[in-house]
Amino acid sequence: AQTVTQSQPEMSVQEAETVTLSCTYDTSESDYYLFWYKQPPSRQMILVIRQEAYKQQNATENRFSVNFQKAAKSFSLKISDSQLGDAAMYFCAYRRNRGGYQKVTFGTGTKLQVIP
Amino acid sequence: DGGITQSPKYLFRKEGQNVTLSCEQNLNHDAMYWYRQDPGQGLRLIYYSQIVNDFQKGDIAEGYSVSREKKESFPLTVTSAQKNPTAFYLCASKLTGGVGEKLFFGSGTQLSVL
Repeated sequence: AQTVTQSQPEMSVQEAETVTLSCTYDTSESDYYLFWYKQPPSRQMILVIRQEAYKQQNATENRFSVNFQKAAKSFSLKISDSQLGDAAMYFCAYRRNRGGYQKVTFGTGTKLQVIP
Repeated sequence: DGGITQSPKYLFRKEGQNVTLSCEQNLNHDAMYWYRQDPGQGLRLIYYSQIVNDFQKGDIAEGYSVSREKKESFPLTVTSAQKNPTAFYLCASKLTGGVGEKLFFGSGTQLSVL
């Protein structure tokens, strides 16, 4: 069974600084997608970034980028120039890409605090 | 506007009572999901459905039931067998058949026990 592990329950970062959130996963599949979702205090889930396992190039979305290490099964999220609006819970998620039921598995989340 | 609507926003359950959480989407998505969120435990999958009249148990299905009679609707019933139902419940949907589609989430239902 696929599992997703986020080992940092809480992190803090100074405004305008850079922070990296960690995620590891376990799967026997070779074709899958990884996602980072953000959940602000409103509790609305928002997609931050996604990465296809077959793409070697790390995904980037503005101030958000990932470090995808397929062999190590690691998928960290880097937030550059942190802003107060980045304060939220961040969830890493996994989904197999082809065939069968496309179950989406989430990690336990990392609460990010941004210090002014 | 297309989206997912969950209702009610807050729900209270009495001992021994079944309650049903509503989830409706007008995105024409085939796949729908129910997640339970508890503090410190992230999102745990209760049930998911990829087509009408078919659904699969997730990791914590005991004490819950679902139906998928229409593509747009995926209601979740929390039965009296669920002894610890207090949690935040999130419904989500996505396209199937493509690649990399994100989950679209509703705004959630907070269920509490009276």
